[in-house]
Amino acid sequence: KAGVTQTPRYLIKTRGQQVTLSCSPISGHRSVSWYQQTPGQGLQFLFEYFSETQRNKGNFPGRFSGRQFSNSRSEMNVSTLELGDSALYLCASSLVPGGSVQPQHFGDGTRLSIL
Amino acid sequence: TQLLEQSPQFLSIQEGENLTVYCNSSSVFSSLQWYRQEPGEGPVLLVTVVTGGEVKKLKRLTFQFGDARKDSSLHITAAQPGDTGLYLCAGHGSGNTGKLIFGQGTTLQVKP
Repeated sequence: KAGVTQTPRYLIKTRGQQVTLSCSPISGHRSVSWYQQTPGQGLQFLFEYFSETQRNKGNFPGRFSGRQFSNSRSEMNVSTLELGDSALYLCASSLVPGGSVQPQHFGDGTRLSIL
Repeated sequence: TQLLEQSPQFLSIQEGENLTVYCNSSSVFSSLQWYRQEPGEGPVLLVTVVTGGEVKKLKRLTFQFGDARKDSSLHITAAQPGDTGLYLCAGHGSGNTGKLIFGQGTTLQVKP
């Protein structure tokens, strides 16, 4: 069974540009969450999507946005990139949103570097 | 705001030693999860504890959830170099949400 697939694995951008990251959940999983991981802040929740609807949003500026498609694949977009956006962006999927009863499976992330 | 504090942040020990990692909060969590992350990879779920006072064992790893569901611990017996990695605790808040609140993580290095 294929795991969560995130593309691309590595990305280098410059300040002011925008970027789109992609996440394909495990087959059959309909809930997708995104997290940002940095050495200073650790793992921080960005958004959660289910059935193409955003159910939760973390405390990030409006430059961070996302969406989910009918096949459950999800994308996140960051506009007007800043140096502080350099991070590992992780996607996690679960069958449905279900708190503790629904284990989340993480992808290996997209490493975004801003020059 | 629900926060999780993990300690210690870094741990470097010799093979065969025992260790405990702590995860504490002033808030009640409906459950706590422990993950292990290796460089270049995403976190992998080790265990979920749901009931206050619950103890779960996974080979040489023992996980405990506090009676008040505000804290948890991970104890590793006879650590091996293969245990090296970043250990993360994470909690689900209330409600039917997939949102996880993570601790800062404990970087464990086990030297042969």
